[in-house]
Amino acid sequence: ETGVTQTPRHLVMGMTNKKSLKCEQHLGHNAMYWYKQSAKKPLELMFVYNFKEQTENNSVPSRFSPECPNSSHLFLHLHTLQPEDSALYLCASSQAGVGGYEQYFGPGTRLTVT
Amino acid sequence: AQTVTQSQPEMSVQEAETVTLSCTYDTSESDYYLFWYKQPPSRQMILVIRQEAYKQQNATENRFSVNFQKAAKSFSLKISDSQLGDAAMYFCAYRSNNNNDMRFGAGTRLTVKP
Repeated sequence: ETGVTQTPRHLVMGMTNKKSLKCEQHLGHNAMYWYKQSAKKPLELMFVYNFKEQTENNSVPSRFSPECPNSSHLFLHLHTLQPEDSALYLCASSQAGVGGYEQYFGPGTRLTVT
Repeated sequence: AQTVTQSQPEMSVQEAETVTLSCTYDTSESDYYLFWYKQPPSRQMILVIRQEAYKQQNATENRFSVNFQKAAKSFSLKISDSQLGDAAMYFCAYRSNNNNDMRFGAGTRLTVKP
């Protein structure tokens, strides 16, 4: 596989469920990101990891828990979500550090919370 | 914090014609990077074009070009000879040279009419 992959592509979960989203990049990058994309709103940056270390948490509720075991993999663990958390969750990767490095995006996971 | 504004939620263009998508941003920094991303329906977001703020020359990529006005903090995208495959959401993005965060606008949905 090439680029950035995400699984699952679609997920429906109840508010009491626990699930995880997975992201994998095959580009040799060392920075990874989680974004939330809701209709008619800018992409919301949730978490940033540089060299496996979390460097940014944009006031994300604790019901979202990220994990970055290595530079190629990123997880988003979900528990006791709310209906307003329904959105497209995008993973991206890039070279870390200063400079105009573009981010490469995965196809996203369409999450529906019932 | 930097903000990115796309004032056109929707735009349409006739096939083979030219269309310009607007983007403005707010920053106190002098060194940064600007991007246009394209997100086709149900497909991955991909980079269209990027601009370094220190370069006066406008970036071009085949049918895509930008009009970068640094003093006005404006970064518009011009698509020439529009094709049906150009139909997508277009996002303007800003990246500081001080970190690897990227800020996105709310997007413009472009429709191409045959």
